[in-house]
Amino acid sequence: GAVVSQHPSWVICKSGTSVKIECRSLDFQATTMFWYRQFPKQSLMLMATSNEGSKATYEQGVEKDKFLINHASLTLSTLTVTSAHPEDSSFYICSARAKIGVLSYNEQFFGPGTRLTVL
Amino acid sequence: EDQVTQSPEALRLQEGESSSLNCSYTVSGLRGLFWYRQDPGKGPEFLFTLYSAGEEKEKERLKATLTKKESFLHITAPKPEDSATYLCAVQTTGTASKLTFGTGTRLQVTL
Repeated sequence: GAVVSQHPSWVICKSGTSVKIECRSLDFQATTMFWYRQFPKQSLMLMATSNEGSKATYEQGVEKDKFLINHASLTLSTLTVTSAHPEDSSFYICSARAKIGVLSYNEQFFGPGTRLTVL
Repeated sequence: EDQVTQSPEALRLQEGESSSLNCSYTVSGLRGLFWYRQDPGKGPEFLFTLYSAGEEKEKERLKATLTKKESFLHITAPKPEDSATYLCAVQTTGTASKLTFGTGTRLQVTL
């Protein structure tokens, strides 16, 4: 249980293009989904928190017009990197908090990550 | 500001050589402390949640403990497949469900 998938697992794009990454909770409903970015040999940095049906809350220093987050359902969130540039190249990971029945769990379950390379 | 510090940064053990990883934290109010395992190129895998000082949890060769200032992840008789980066994260009472991660301990277990 508590499986989170991401698609694609890797993507290479040209500078200036937009890239969409999907995050799905496969066997549970996610009350809240999170997007992280991880640079090589560094820890996870939270970019934004999204609740289903409402606007995402972005961390300080994260451009909301550049990193568009949509949380359209309790099982799907998307991150769109708009007008991507080489400095946006990173490992993007989503996570989800589970809601099973009336219980909301504290733990975050992570997806496998998406490696973005911008040329 | 909430801070999470993990030590050592890297640890190399021989198979069967037990050791402990440390996660020290400074937060305004701890809601929960989480341990994750991350393999290269993959997302973190959930291991444990600890909520109060004195709490302990075990899973196979791993045991996590919590005090008011730090948490330890004890690895007993490790095997090469335990090689990974172990991440500690805290959730505080003032930040809802947000997690603040430490920089991790890279563990390598050799034969």
